[in-house]
Amino acid sequence: SYELTQPPSVSVSPGQTARITCSGDALPKQYAYWYQQKPGQAPVLVIYKDSERPSGIPERFSGSSSGTTVTLTISGVQAEDEADYYCQSADSSGTYRVVFGGGTKLTVL
Amino acid sequence: EVQLVESGGGLVQPGRSLRLSCAASGFTFDDYAMHWVRQAPGKGLEWVSGISWNSGSIGYADSVKGRFTISRDNAKNSLYLQMNSLRAEDTALYYCAKAGESGWDFDYWGQGTLVTVSS
Repeated sequence: SYELTQPPSVSVSPGQTARITCSGDALPKQYAYWYQQKPGQAPVLVIYKDSERPSGIPERFSGSSSGTTVTLTISGVQAEDEADYYCQSADSSGTYRVVFGGGTKLTVL
Repeated sequence: EVQLVESGGGLVQPGRSLRLSCAASGFTFDDYAMHWVRQAPGKGLEWVSGISWNSGSIGYADSVKGRFTISRDNAKNSLYLQMNSLRAEDTALYYCAKAGESGWDFDYWGQGTLVTVSS
C-alpha cells in the first residue's frame, strides 16, 4: 500500500527556519497537502497543491516539491507554530484513496 | 461560514454497529467530495473513507473495507458513516472533512465525534 514518510520530530529555536520533509513514491504524480494540528484542535490546511497557501495562513509557511520528496518550510518560526504537522496525498493507482504521513512534532525550543 | 457537525459517537461493544452523521452548512454541499478521517488517542491522522459529490466514486482504507459504508444525502446536506463489526482498534475521534477545490485536500474539518469500542 502507498505510504508517506515523515520524520517523527523536528526542533528549532524561535526565529529559525523549520523544514519538515515527506517522502512517497507517488509524490511526483500527485499533489501534496500539509496540515497543522494543535493539541485538542482539528487539523488546519496550511499548504495545498504542493506550494499554495490558503487565505489566512501566514506567509512564513511555504511548500516545495522535488522528486519523491515534498517539504514544508516555516520561516521565522514562532512559539505558536509548535504543533503536529501532517502531509497528505492521494493514491496514484487510480483508486479513490487518500493517505496521510505519520506526522511530525515541531518543537520550538 | 462553513460548519461541519459530527454526531453519533459513543461507547459500543466489540462486534456491534454505530452510525455517524455529519451535518454540513455554509457551502453548496453537493458541489464537493466529503471524507471521514479518524485519530486514535495519541496517534496520527488516518483517512477512513471518501465519497465524491454525486456518490459516483467511493473509497475506503484497507483497515475498514468491508465493515464501514460511507453515504451522503445531498438533499439533507448530510454525510454518514455506517460502522459494522467494530473492533477495539476502531476507537478514535472521527472527523468529517470537506474536500477542497482540488478534490483531494481537506479545507474544512468538524470538531469530531468520539467512538470508543470496548466491552
